[in-house]
This record gives sequence, C-alpha cells and structure tokens, in this order.
Amino acid sequence: GEDVEQSLFLSVREGDSSVINCTYTDSSSTYLYWYKQEPGAGLQLLTYIFSNMDMKQDQRLTVLLNKKDKHLSLRIADTQTGDSAIYFCAESHSGGYNKLIFGAGTRLAVHP
Amino acid sequence: DSGVTQTPKHLITATGQRVTLRCSPRSGDLSVYWYQQSLDQGLQFLIQYYNGEERAKGNILERFSAQQFPDLHSELNLSSLELGDSALYFCASAGGPGETQYFGPGTRLLVL
Repeated sequence: GEDVEQSLFLSVREGDSSVINCTYTDSSSTYLYWYKQEPGAGLQLLTYIFSNMDMKQDQRLTVLLNKKDKHLSLRIADTQTGDSAIYFCAESHSGGYNKLIFGAGTRLAVHP
Repeated sequence: DSGVTQTPKHLITATGQRVTLRCSPRSGDLSVYWYQQSLDQGLQFLIQYYNGEERAKGNILERFSAQQFPDLHSELNLSSLELGDSALYFCASAGGPGETQYFGPGTRLLVL
C-alpha cells in the first residue's frame, strides 16, 4: 500500500540543526521528495533523492535515505527563522505515473 | 516562482454552484497534475494529464472533471459544490512522467 508518515511538529532554536523524519511503505518508490510550504503559499520543491542513493547534500540541506527501514530524513543545518514552515515528505513511483503521495507535513517552528 | 500559474488565487462560492480553476504549466512541460489540500485529508492527488490525455486518476469525485487543452493549459471543473469541497487546489507541472513536479501557488476555494 501507499502511506507516508511524518511527525507533526518540531521546535528548534535558531542556529541549531533540524531533523525532520519520514517513513514510507511503498518499496517501489523511485523518487522521494521534500517540499516546503510557508503560510498562505504554495509548495516549494526543496530537494529530492533517487531511491538508489543513500545521501544527498545541497547547501544547508542533507537528505538521508535508509531503504531497508523505508526511512527518509531531512536535516537543515544552522536553522533560521525563515525556515519556519511546513515540510512535506512525498514519494512517487513509476507505476503510478509518478503521482505524489504526501505525508501530513511537519510544522517546523524556529525560536530565538 | 516555480513558473506554474494558477487562477484565480481565491474563490468564494455557494453550495450547489460550479467553478473552473485554471492552470498554466511551466514552459515546455507536458504533464499537469491536480492536487487537493484540505485540513482533514491533507494533500491528495486528483488527476494527471500528459500532452492532452488523461493518464492517471486519484481520489477525484465524479462531480469533478478536468481537461488539458492543445496549448497545454489545464482546467479543473468542480460542480454541485459542497461545504466539504472547500480546500486549496494545487496544480503541478512536469516535463513528463517521472520528472520532478513544480507546484503553482494554488487556488483557495471557499464554499459557503
């Protein structure tokens, strides 16, 4: 079946690292994505990882993929107040014409 | 700015009415996806078009329909509206199946 789960809330202090976790169930997923949604705004693609990779780094963002446990994480280094938003994990697989299956989203709150 | 445009930004209407949401994909993208974001259901895939043809259907109600025109813009038609149809409707575009989806800013629909 298709299911993506995320914790709903994370609070961090400015300057610390944030780690947002996600688990998925579909082992045929080909790509896994992280999208960011700021209040009243659309979905901004942050990064993605192909299912045959273990890690991807892009500036302050690091994505780790554990295929055995079907666990995906997004680490944001040096978290800033501008990082406060909802972060969605999503999976897609070629068998489903690449429709995205989203988690419920993790609300990241960054405080001074 | 993702390059995907959606109109209108906001729509307020009454139960029983019909509305049309419009999406223009990024230049060169052939695939258009529609998603619904609601408080109770989260982000859900509705329907996908590729180069004018319907490719995949998700949890789309029979009261809803969509099409993609020769110029590749797409319209989502919602009819016999109910209070529960109030949601944010996103369009995403991609170069083709398997490619990364970029989201528009969404249309916020309020049914009173």
